[in-house]
Amino acid sequence: GAGVSQSPRYKVAKRGQDVALRCDPISGHVSLFWYQQALGQGPEFLTYFQNEAQLDKSGLPSDRFFAERPEGSVSTLKIQRTQQEDSAVYLCASSLNAGIDYGYTFGSGTRLTVV
Amino acid sequence: AQTVTQSQPEMSVQEAETVTLSCTYDTSESNYYLFWYKQPPSRQMILVIRQEAYKQQNATENRFSVNFQKAAKSFSLKISDSQLGDTAMYFCALNNAGNMLTFGGGTRLMVKP
Repeated sequence: GAGVSQSPRYKVAKRGQDVALRCDPISGHVSLFWYQQALGQGPEFLTYFQNEAQLDKSGLPSDRFFAERPEGSVSTLKIQRTQQEDSAVYLCASSLNAGIDYGYTFGSGTRLTVV
Repeated sequence: AQTVTQSQPEMSVQEAETVTLSCTYDTSESNYYLFWYKQPPSRQMILVIRQEAYKQQNATENRFSVNFQKAAKSFSLKISDSQLGDTAMYFCALNNAGNMLTFGGGTRLMVKP
């Protein structure tokens, strides 16, 4: 596609519920990133994929968070047993190559509210 | 570890005037890139401008320019001829060998008519 697509745009989950957030990157983009943005703050890194390989998951806040990109294109971020502190915007970004100088294209994010 | 600090939570400017947003950073890497991103209410992060640490010349993109002071680890964004559409959150970000972007806390810019 022309841009990075994320769905759903909004998600309300009851505490304890599992959620799955989808990211469809730009076709052919090798690198894919997930970020978490709490209200009024800057995004914080969660995890990074190069093709289907998850090369860095150091930012995942707990073992309730899990991300996958099985075929090297679409990625899913799953949060199990959601807690109120998980409420945030989850941003996905993709990049053509794996290099620090390449610009990233971001999606519009999924706003997760845990009630 | 790398850090990015934006000391101005909010700024305002009159339409057509010039405004400067501040950013300082810390990294132990010698090769890195610095970015300014704009985030309007639509939430999508839009790349405004980027600067490679090895380049001494300050980057410029139309009305947007940076003042990169490597020794001081400072990377400010100047917006000239401000327009109403520039109203947004602005984030400074650092990218070094770890591939990931480290963002500052953001500056909310309001352009007033």
